[in-house]
Amino acid sequence: NAGVMQNPRHLVRRRGQEARLRCSPMKGHSHVYWYRQLPEEGLKFMVYLQKENIIDESGMPKERFSAEFPKEGPSILRIQQVVRGDSAAYFCASSPDNYNEQFFGPGTRLTVL
Amino acid sequence: QKEVEQDPGPLSVPEGAIVSLNCTYSNSAFQYFMWYRQYSRKGPELLMYTYSSGNKEDGRFTAQVDKSSKYISLFIRDSQPSDSATYLCAMSDPGAQKLVFGQGTRLTINP
Repeated sequence: NAGVMQNPRHLVRRRGQEARLRCSPMKGHSHVYWYRQLPEEGLKFMVYLQKENIIDESGMPKERFSAEFPKEGPSILRIQQVVRGDSAAYFCASSPDNYNEQFFGPGTRLTVL
Repeated sequence: QKEVEQDPGPLSVPEGAIVSLNCTYSNSAFQYFMWYRQYSRKGPELLMYTYSSGNKEDGRFTAQVDKSSKYISLFIRDSQPSDSATYLCAMSDPGAQKLVFGQGTRLTINP
């Protein structure tokens, strides 16, 4: 019974490049959430998606960030033209319905040089 | 003022001690309360999940929610060195699925 899968686990990008982070939810879960954790800070909500729909993107920066959860395949968090301030751990969580507890993946640690 | 306040610690206690971790919050709409454990450079692991006020016990862990005081607690009995981690409180309201986290408390259990 695999948990939430995220890849890559570590990603290094130079300023101005694009970063693509992938998340496969737990089997049977149709709700996906992305959170960002900056050094020495708690997790901050970014976006909540269901299959083919963005439900809440109130935590997403207005520019350069986008997310999708297609009908087939993993959820993708995309960061265009990365800057050093984007360096953080990005966690994906999933839940079977929107009032149940959320289960987290191992995270992707993004380093921007 | 942050929506959820949590003392970042660090907190260091001897093995076998009872540990008390706490969070306060300002949003009275929060109904769902969670505690996560996060080891260094790992993802958060769900420990306890409670709805509204009351107590919930699971093994050595007890979660308490006092909505009148906007205060939640996690107690760890017979603490073990393997409990050394950062503990994050999180909460949400029925109208929004996003979790609002505290900063996390770094806990060390000394053998």
